[in-house]
Amino acid sequence: DTAVSQTPKYLVTQMGNDKSIKCEQNLGHDTMYWYKQDSKKFLKIMFSYNNKELIINETVPNRFSPKSPDKAHLNLHINSLELGDSAVYFCASSDRSSYNEQFFGPGTRLTVL
Amino acid sequence: GENVEQHPSTLSVQEGDSAVIKCTYSDSASNYFPWYKQELGKGPQLIIDIRSNVGEKKDQRIAVTLNKTAKHFSLHITETQPEDSAVYFCAATDSWGKLQFGAGTQVVVTP
Repeated sequence: DTAVSQTPKYLVTQMGNDKSIKCEQNLGHDTMYWYKQDSKKFLKIMFSYNNKELIINETVPNRFSPKSPDKAHLNLHINSLELGDSAVYFCASSDRSSYNEQFFGPGTRLTVL
Repeated sequence: GENVEQHPSTLSVQEGDSAVIKCTYSDSASNYFPWYKQELGKGPQLIIDIRSNVGEKKDQRIAVTLNKTAKHFSLHITETQPEDSAVYFCAATDSWGKLQFGAGTQVVVTP
């Protein structure tokens, strides 16, 4: 019954490694997002995809590359991880646009050592 | 771009009392203002939202008011209960279609 799911829930890795976080939604939504929540709980949008096409790309390092194989999936790949990448990453989805309710996943806590 | 400010950053209330969180925004084109509740270890969840053609909206113990002229909106929780303890975020969708969040308010309801 899970609406928006993310894997893994926790990710601990060394600096310099490459890692991926997967997101899937079964709500039939056409818009998906990635957010970063820092240690002070501040939530900031990173990317948004509509029907597999990138529509929002905030000022995020090129090391972060989202990929949407289909409308129900939006994965986040991070190259050459840095200490500052440690955060909780949330995937979300909505029907059509940011003007409608966004449903958030449970988050992936990334720790870079 | 949009800038959303939220106050207070922490709010401690006695069970049964009311809680009020206030937000201001900068983009006059913003027209959608949701409020999210985030419990520990979980993702944010929408609790109420308001659009710019409405000044007030209520859903049981929670209500939101919007003043477009002053560019501020507020969340009101009445008869607070321990399960209301969480971080609450206001947000505004800017003219680029991006949802900008406030910094969050940690609400603690003490029995």
